[in-house]
Amino acid sequence: QSVLTQPPSVSGAPGQRVTISCTGSSSQIGAGSDVHWYQHLPGTAPKLLIYGNNNRPSGVPDRFSGSKSGTSASLAITGLQAEDEAVYYCQSYDSRLDVIFGGGTKLTVL
Amino acid sequence: EVQLVESGGGVVQPGGSLRLSCAASGFTFDEHSMHWVRQAPGKGLEWVALISWDGYTAFYADSVKGRFAISRDNSKNRLYLQMNGLRSEDTALYFCAKIHNFYDSSGKKAYYFDYWGQGTPVTVSS
Repeated sequence: QSVLTQPPSVSGAPGQRVTISCTGSSSQIGAGSDVHWYQHLPGTAPKLLIYGNNNRPSGVPDRFSGSKSGTSASLAITGLQAEDEAVYYCQSYDSRLDVIFGGGTKLTVL
Repeated sequence: EVQLVESGGGVVQPGGSLRLSCAASGFTFDEHSMHWVRQAPGKGLEWVALISWDGYTAFYADSVKGRFAISRDNSKNRLYLQMNGLRSEDTALYFCAKIHNFYDSSGKKAYYFDYWGQGTPVTVSS
C-alpha cells in the first residue's frame, strides 16, 4: 500500500480535461513537502512532468499543470490526446525526508 | 543528451545475490546524487536507495536495509546496487534515476528525479 493515495484509473475522451488526485497526510504534503509528477509508459523510462507542485520542465506541454492544497495535490491534463495514455505517479517526501510515491493512476484515452 | 542504462537483472533463487549496474552519460556524473527506484509487478514505484555524489553517504528503504548496498564509481560513470539475501518481494523492475536539486516552495533544499533509465528486471523465484 502506497503512502500517497491516487485513484487506480481515470479516463477521458480526446480533447477533454482530466484530473488525477494525490492524497497524503499532515506529515508529508501537509507539512509543506513539494509534490512532483511523473509519466510512465510501460517499457520506457519514467518522465518528469511537473516539479515543485506546479512547474513544468522545458519540453512538457502546457496542457499539463499541477497544484497543491493542504494534504493533497492534483495533476490536470487538458486537451486530452491519445499519446497521454500512460501511468502517472505523484512523489513527495515523508517526515524523515525519505522519498514516497503514490500508487500510480492509469489514464485511458477513450 | 542524458542517458541512464541499467543492466545486470535476471532470475535468481531466494537467498541469492545480484549486482545491478547503471551506466550514465550526458551529464557530469560526479556532481549528482543518484538513486535506485523499483516497481514490483502490478504495483507502484518504490524508492530503494540513494548515494551522495562522492559515494560517502548512502540511505536505504527499510525494506532493503542490511541486504542491499548502493555504490558508485565516478571514474567510470557507473552506479551499482549489490543485492544480497534476495526475497520474492524483491521481484521488480529496477530503475536508476538522477536527481536535480532545487529550493522548494517553502525555501528548503529539495530535489526531484529529472532523468530515469528504462529499468532492468529482477525475478526472485525458486
